[in-house]
Amino acid sequence: DVKVTQSSRYLVKRTGEKVFLECVQDMDHENMFWYRQDPGLGLRLIYFSYDVKMKEKGDIPEGYSVSREKKERFSLILESASTNQTSMYLCASEDPVGRRVQYFGPGTRLLVL
Amino acid sequence: DQQVKQNSPSLSVQEGRISILNCDYTNSMFDYFLWYKKYPAEGPTFLISISSIKDKNEDGRFTVFLNKSAKHLSLHIVPSQPGDSAVYFCAASLIQGAQKLVFGQGTRLTINP
Repeated sequence: DVKVTQSSRYLVKRTGEKVFLECVQDMDHENMFWYRQDPGLGLRLIYFSYDVKMKEKGDIPEGYSVSREKKERFSLILESASTNQTSMYLCASEDPVGRRVQYFGPGTRLLVL
Repeated sequence: DQQVKQNSPSLSVQEGRISILNCDYTNSMFDYFLWYKKYPAEGPTFLISISSIKDKNEDGRFTVFLNKSAKHLSLHIVPSQPGDSAVYFCAASLIQGAQKLVFGQGTRLTINP
């Protein structure tokens, strides 16, 4: 069974803090993604990665960075958290061969005060 | 600009009846479409997909219809059940090349007993 886990379900941080969100998948997928979900805006792509040490900007990369040192792990970093980064963050992985379906983790709800 | 649009933020349907969720897209290059279902506090889960070479795809109670000339797709759920109450996202992508999904804003479906 496909499994994508995220390090925290809920996080509360202060403005200016550096925030790390971790995502791990156990399916040996090459492709991994970070999205944020906001009411009325759907899911928006922040960053994605097609391989270890590779990263590509999505639609809203400003204020974020990512790290992919191992195939199974994709980290999202908020360099200096701001209140407008309060959101639900969703990680996904995808097998580039076959149905090309993305499998999502449970999400991390981040509140920046 | 919103390339994938779900114009109905919410939909309420009687149990046992048909639920029809709609999605429009603007990019004629999209050739693969997916529907995801999301319960509160969980990540989205894949429901059904369709490629542009088809106009219909069925999976049990779920059917997706694609009208390429109108750039419109719809998800039909028959019969609707209380467990179908969730937020539904449509997404679009290109089969070849970078697999970036573009999501709609989501439609909250409520099935009333």
